[in-house]
Amino acid sequence: GQQLNQSPQSMFIQEGEDVSMNCTSSSIFNTWLWYKQDPGEGPVLLIALYKAGELTSNGRLTAQFGITRKDSFLNISASIPSDVGIYFCAGPAAAGNKLTFGGGTRVLVKP
Amino acid sequence: GAVVSQHPSRVICKSGTSVKIECRSLDFQATTMFWYRQFPKQSLMLMATSNEGSKATYEQGVEKDKFLINHASLTLSTLTVTSAHPEDSSFYICSAGTSGDETQYFGPGTRLLVL
Repeated sequence: GQQLNQSPQSMFIQEGEDVSMNCTSSSIFNTWLWYKQDPGEGPVLLIALYKAGELTSNGRLTAQFGITRKDSFLNISASIPSDVGIYFCAGPAAAGNKLTFGGGTRVLVKP
Repeated sequence: GAVVSQHPSRVICKSGTSVKIECRSLDFQATTMFWYRQFPKQSLMLMATSNEGSKATYEQGVEKDKFLINHASLTLSTLTVTSAHPEDSSFYICSAGTSGDETQYFGPGTRLLVL
């Protein structure tokens, strides 16, 4: 079945740094969704991408829909402590309206 | 917009009892609702998909008699964990979507602990 591979699995950030994570697939996706999950909460939609090549921003977040339709990246600029959490990419599965999720990128603060 | 609520946010129950979790779309009509389960440090695992007024479609390995899903209206779906056991302890999250839109909006989750 379709799989989404996210990297890195985890990263440490220092306040003010820019961070980047990406999501790749062996098959084509027509939509890419980026969610953030805080501890003990449900995922919150950050950015939705619907067209190949699309670059969309939401505040300090920027995401791009890869031109091959097989990848997407999410950038966070000037990170702040509340950016800590787990970021998931997701895309519609081959059949129906189910979503396939990546394994998540856990963003932590450098001690 | 696109707010989804869940109730309760956490529940502790004794082994053998049943627990009902509600999922509501507050400001839109959800033609489809999804139920997920998430174990610590793992991604979300889809359990079932429910469309308003029809039977839920369960993922492979999910017992439909154990996890009863009802989607009686366009704003409410319920998940009942029947005869709960400690291994059912998990974080249950619902999401809601509308037809023609692949975006799903998630509830805040329900933490279930079975003693």
